[in-house]
Amino acid sequence: AQSVTQPDIHITVSEGASLELRCNYSYGATPYLFWYVQSPGQGLQLLLKYFSGDTLVQGIKGFEAEFKRSQSSFNLRKPSVHWSDAAEYFCAVGPRTSGTYKYIFGTGTRLKVLA
Amino acid sequence: DAGVIQSPRHEVTEMGQEVTLRCKPISGHDYLFWYRQTMMRGLELLIYFNNNVPIDDSGMPEDRFSAKMPNASFSTLKIQPSEPRDSAVYFCASSLGVHDNEQFFGPGTRLTVL
Repeated sequence: AQSVTQPDIHITVSEGASLELRCNYSYGATPYLFWYVQSPGQGLQLLLKYFSGDTLVQGIKGFEAEFKRSQSSFNLRKPSVHWSDAAEYFCAVGPRTSGTYKYIFGTGTRLKVLA
Repeated sequence: DAGVIQSPRHEVTEMGQEVTLRCKPISGHDYLFWYRQTMMRGLELLIYFNNNVPIDDSGMPEDRFSAKMPNASFSTLKIQPSEPRDSAVYFCASSLGVHDNEQFFGPGTRLTVL
């Protein structure tokens, strides 16, 4: 079955510390991969996406993610976290082929940033 | 562009009442998606439209839920009759289409059914 797993429900880091949010997926073939961020009371905003090519992708707000095919992972990283990064982060996968245009989202990781 | 617009932002209703959620996608986007977000189930796709035509409604939980898109700039999600377990945040998103394009999300409607 197709699924996205974000094993960490909550993560707390100090401002200025590095961050890594984990994402693993189960899919028939390599899907399109996305990370979205949701601030309280807001909709989801795209941070970055991977389609092909360089497996390290850069996104907005200083985030990056690395696709590892052998591990079916797409972990999100940031070298130095800012207090404004406190939010919920969602990993998602989508199909490459034609047909249903159905994304599957992980259950999210809520990030807390300590001053 | 104002982004995806949803109304109302909050809705509180009593069990058995009809609820209608509204969405205006970004102009020019030809795909529109309705999602439901709950603590238990996370973010689930309910239905999506392409050029105003429903393409995949397999996520619609039951017949009490219906969605329409009468034109390119407006969609509704209706629940009739509503039940407490329908309480959730409902998001609308739109996209320029095909699989590699970003979905732009609205701010959501928080529905509480008493």
